[in-house]
Amino acid sequence: GENVEQHPSTLSVQEGDSAVIKCTYSDSASNYFPWYKQELGKRPQLIIDIRSNVGEKKDQRIAVTLNKTAKHFSLHITETQPEDSAVYFCAAFTSGTYKYIFGTGTRLKVLA
Amino acid sequence: EAGVTQFPSHSVIEKGQTVTLRCDPISGHDNLYWYRRVMGKEIKFLLHFVKESKQDESGMPNNRFLAERTGGTYSTLKVQPAELEDSGVYFCASSQSLGNTIYFGEGSWLTVV
Repeated sequence: GENVEQHPSTLSVQEGDSAVIKCTYSDSASNYFPWYKQELGKRPQLIIDIRSNVGEKKDQRIAVTLNKTAKHFSLHITETQPEDSAVYFCAAFTSGTYKYIFGTGTRLKVLA
Repeated sequence: EAGVTQFPSHSVIEKGQTVTLRCDPISGHDNLYWYRRVMGKEIKFLLHFVKESKQDESGMPNNRFLAERTGGTYSTLKVQPAELEDSGVYFCASSQSLGNTIYFGEGSWLTVV
C-alpha cells in the first residue's frame, strides 16, 4: 500500500543552525504535501504545504522542496530557535484515494 | 471559529471494556478523518467520512472498532472490547473539501491496561 518514509526520527541542532527533515512517498499520484508541527501535548498544526505543480515554497524561516521525479520532499528550517522544538510530520495526499498518508515523525530538539 | 474538539482527552480502561471517543469537527467541514498514533510510529489512517457516509474505512484494524457519524456532524469511534494494543492517541481531523488542509483535534489518549 501507500507509505511515506520520514528521516531522521530524531534530530538535535544548536540554536541558530539549520534543520532538514526528509520524506519519500510511494504513490506517484500524490499531489499535495503538508507538514505538521506537534508541540508536546498539543494538536498537530499545519506549518507549510506544497502542491505537486510547485518545486519550492518558502515562508520566513521554513521552506519545503519537492522533487516529483524522485518522490522526495523536504522541510528546511533555518536559524532554528528553541521554540522550534517539536515533533514534525510530513504527509502525502492523493486525489484518487482522498487519503492523507503520514510519516513516522521527527523529534526536533533545538539546543540553546 | 472553534477548532476540532475531541472528548475525552484521556481515558484509562481495562482490557475487555468499552470506550467511545467523540469528535466534533469544524462547523461546515464535510470531511472527517480518524487517525491513530502509537508511540514512535506514524499517524496512521483509520477512516474517512464525507458527511455521514464512510468514504474509506480501509484503515480500521478489526471489527472491534466502530465509527459513526449520524447526521453528518459529530463522529464517535467505539472500541469494544478494548485490547492492550489499542492504546495510543486517537486523532480526529476535518477539512472543508478534499485536497485541502486538514485540521486536527488535540487527540484522545487511550490507555488499555
